[in-house]
Amino acid sequence: EIVMTQSPATLSVSPGERATLSCRASHSVSSNLAWYQQKPGQAPRLLIYAASTRATGIPVRFSGSGSGTEFTLIISSLQSEDFAVYYCQQYNNWPPWTFGQGTKVEIK
Amino acid sequence: QVQLVQFGAEVKKPGSSVKVSCKASGGTFSSYAISWVRQAPGQGLEWLGGIIPVFGTTNYAEKFQGRVTITADKSTRTVYMELSSLRSQDTAIYYCARSVLETYYFDHWGQGTLVTVSS
Repeated sequence: EIVMTQSPATLSVSPGERATLSCRASHSVSSNLAWYQQKPGQAPRLLIYAASTRATGIPVRFSGSGSGTEFTLIISSLQSEDFAVYYCQQYNNWPPWTFGQGTKVEIK
Repeated sequence: QVQLVQFGAEVKKPGSSVKVSCKASGGTFSSYAISWVRQAPGQGLEWLGGIIPVFGTTNYAEKFQGRVTITADKSTRTVYMELSSLRSQDTAIYYCARSVLETYYFDHWGQGTLVTVSS
């Protein structure tokens, strides 16, 4: 099973600032990595797939990069609606599909 | 427009079973897979298993093998997840999620069904 590790657990950022989230895989997952955003009381929403491709309707301030075992999600200028929990997920080696434990982006 | 609709909430006794449904609308039912992902209170996301409805093929996480059964009714475009031998640690929101075949990331999610296991 591929273990996904996200850091930091919590990120405190001021509106308008840049946020950088990390995700590490225990073994290479190539570029088969997705990022999701989850707000309280809501289901997760797909942001990024194939490590760097934005899903339909996702603003350009969200960008993903990386391959192999190291991945990054950058939110270039945080808006109020971006404060949420973010999860990475690998879909290279399955079953099972595995998620990171999440990074909470909170208002500083 | 793709939608995955889940209904209601369930309260179950320890040792019993629960069967949760997910009805799909929009899109081509034959071209995607449906997975079940759960989230315990305040915790992260955990994949239980999935099905390709057009073929009926299933995959389950080893952790849940023998306790989870996922089925699909193609005529009603509904996927079911049954979890047996429930314990308090199974209290969670259970989401269904769609992945287009050959992709395997989850592009659409249901709104979730809260399952509470309590004596």
